[in-house]
Amino acid sequence: EAGVAQSPRYKIIEKRQSVAFWCNPISGHATLYWYQQILGQGPKLLIQFQNNGVVDDSQLPKDRFSAERLKGVDSTLKIQPAKLEDSAVYLCASSLDRGVRWNNEQFFGPGTRLTVL
Amino acid sequence: AQSVTQLDSHVSVSEGTPVLLRCNYSSSYSPSLFWYVQHPNKGLQLLLKYTSAATLVKGINGFEAEFKKSETSFHLTKPSAHMSDAAEYFCVVNAGNNRKLIWGLGTSLAVNP
Repeated sequence: EAGVAQSPRYKIIEKRQSVAFWCNPISGHATLYWYQQILGQGPKLLIQFQNNGVVDDSQLPKDRFSAERLKGVDSTLKIQPAKLEDSAVYLCASSLDRGVRWNNEQFFGPGTRLTVL
Repeated sequence: AQSVTQLDSHVSVSEGTPVLLRCNYSSSYSPSLFWYVQHPNKGLQLLLKYTSAATLVKGINGFEAEFKKSETSFHLTKPSAHMSDAAEYFCVVNAGNNRKLIWGLGTSLAVNP
């Protein structure tokens, strides 16, 4: 079974530029998550999709960050314009999810390391 | 409201000695609980999970955790630490119908030779 795929693995940009990350979850997984992990900290959930609908985006800085999952499969996360404090690893995860309260384990991709200069 | 607290930000043990990483949670619902491990410059990997079945959960690499409802705890243990266990460990709780996960701040485990 293929894991969660992310690209690119590394990205270096200047502040105020824009950047996009791509994630392909495990086939059949309904829930997709984007996390931001700043060096030395735990993952912070940015947005959670259930199929192609948003379940939680309360911590997404919507003035500069956007995400979509149009067909309920792969997803893109965009930052425009980037700030220095956006330097982090952006993790994508997916989970199978069945039932109402059941939460299957999340499978993580390798992440994209973003450096904003 | 749901929350999770990892009681130690850093734990240091000697190789071959027991490991104890502590996690307490707060939840209004019956929670699902997870422990994830992150090795340096590597992705997050699930160690084990509790989902209202057996309270003693066995995971990979010899780790296990016990769900104690009365103490609202889900501590991670291993009888004998190995050098390869050095990593960051995260306790995670899911305790709501919206499937929102709450992450602890992490515990850094160092294993000394």
